[in-house]
Amino acid sequence: RKEVEQDPGPFNVPEGATVAFNCTYSNSASQSFFWYRQDCRKEPKLLMSVYSSGNEDGRFTAQLNRASQYISLLIRDSKLSDSATYLCVVNILTGGGNKLTFGTGTQLKVEL
Amino acid sequence: GAGVSQSPSNKVTEKGKDVELRCDPISGHTALYWYRQSLGQGLEFLIYFQGNSAPDKSGLPSDRFSAERTGGSVSTLTIQRTQQEDSAVYLCASCQRTGGNTDTQYFGPGTRLTVL
Repeated sequence: RKEVEQDPGPFNVPEGATVAFNCTYSNSASQSFFWYRQDCRKEPKLLMSVYSSGNEDGRFTAQLNRASQYISLLIRDSKLSDSATYLCVVNILTGGGNKLTFGTGTQLKVEL
Repeated sequence: GAGVSQSPSNKVTEKGKDVELRCDPISGHTALYWYRQSLGQGLEFLIYFQGNSAPDKSGLPSDRFSAERTGGSVSTLTIQRTQQEDSAVYLCASCQRTGGNTDTQYFGPGTRLTVL
């Protein structure tokens, strides 16, 4: 079983739609969680951290369920510019420092 | 300010040759990571440097892979006797500090390695 699992998609949605991605992780010692965005042939960039109480940043809402070991990302009123791959990232704090484990990503295509 | 830079941006090499990839982290960042991203795969952790501590090499796939970080700044990832399965994008990331759960890693643009 992969440490971090995501549905690869693609999710094809019309502009203005609401779309949600889920991600599951296997290591219960995981301490912090993030969503990164990666555009085609570009490097990943941090989209948002995911906090236990859930957090919102504009049209983006992230939630964490530690009991079920999954995190989610909700995008409201999707824009064409939201088209990208969204990477679920889990951080485990080891003796040597942080170790990030990335999912394979979920591809989103927003269409007219 | 300047971000993480990597060179070369593209590298095509023949099977069996050695390659060296370079990463210049953001100035002042004490932590540096190397990842590999193959087509359709997530980012695979390779190695992690933190200050003067011994690096975490737990992600290196074989002894053909090695990395150094000189003077706590520039890092080079060396792949000896390259194989076709080494073809991937190699990404470097740096982080201002470690130990904090919300430390942000800033990625370089990557080096696309193709082994023929």
